[in-house]
Amino acid sequence: GQQVMQIPQYQHVQEGEDFTTYCNSSTTLSNIQWYKQRPGGHPVFLIQLVKSGEVKKQKRLTFQFGEAKKNSSLHITATQTTDVGTYFCKGLQGAQKLVFGQGTRLTINP
Amino acid sequence: DAGVIQSPRHEVTEMGQEVTLRCKPISGHNSLFWYRQTMMRGLELLIYFNNNVPIDDSGMPEDRFSAKMPNASFSTLKIQPSEPRDSAVYFCASSLISGSNQPQHFGDGTRLSIL
Repeated sequence: GQQVMQIPQYQHVQEGEDFTTYCNSSTTLSNIQWYKQRPGGHPVFLIQLVKSGEVKKQKRLTFQFGEAKKNSSLHITATQTTDVGTYFCKGLQGAQKLVFGQGTRLTINP
Repeated sequence: DAGVIQSPRHEVTEMGQEVTLRCKPISGHNSLFWYRQTMMRGLELLIYFNNNVPIDDSGMPEDRFSAKMPNASFSTLKIQPSEPRDSAVYFCASSLISGSNQPQHFGDGTRLSIL
């Protein structure tokens, strides 16, 4: 269930502005995954982070995993209207316990 | 390639009725997940299976909910009796073996309305 704090819950930006969502866990995570869900759609896998301090980029998206493996962030540079949706993080505690954030809903003013 | 297939896509029924949601995972995937999504509570993991065996069912709300996976290519989520508060979108997802460490692929969901 939801044992990862994800903030903010909502974010509205002007097109071209940056956007960041954060996930914080009280316990160490074996890995963290990020998903995007478009309005009316289903979650789609974006990326997985495994190593402490890991940083991965996908075009305008930058994903980070904290040194302590308890927090993660997703940063979008220069948002576009296609970035609209809800972004979720999902973490693995231990070998089998799945935990995930409530999601951040991003809306964009064109 | 066929993705995760869920049926029905929409279900409207009266409270007290039994509801059965179905899921066919991606062929070759050995882990299957059932989620519920509402505006109030967001996305909630209900239960997941590895190799047809339930691993974590701590998210199942109450005894009215049950899930089965009789074989590697089929799973059901049953609600009996249904209540209006069960109205939600129910997603099924699957992933490769060692599922919790693998990306999940979601179906299109079943939109359930209990009147």
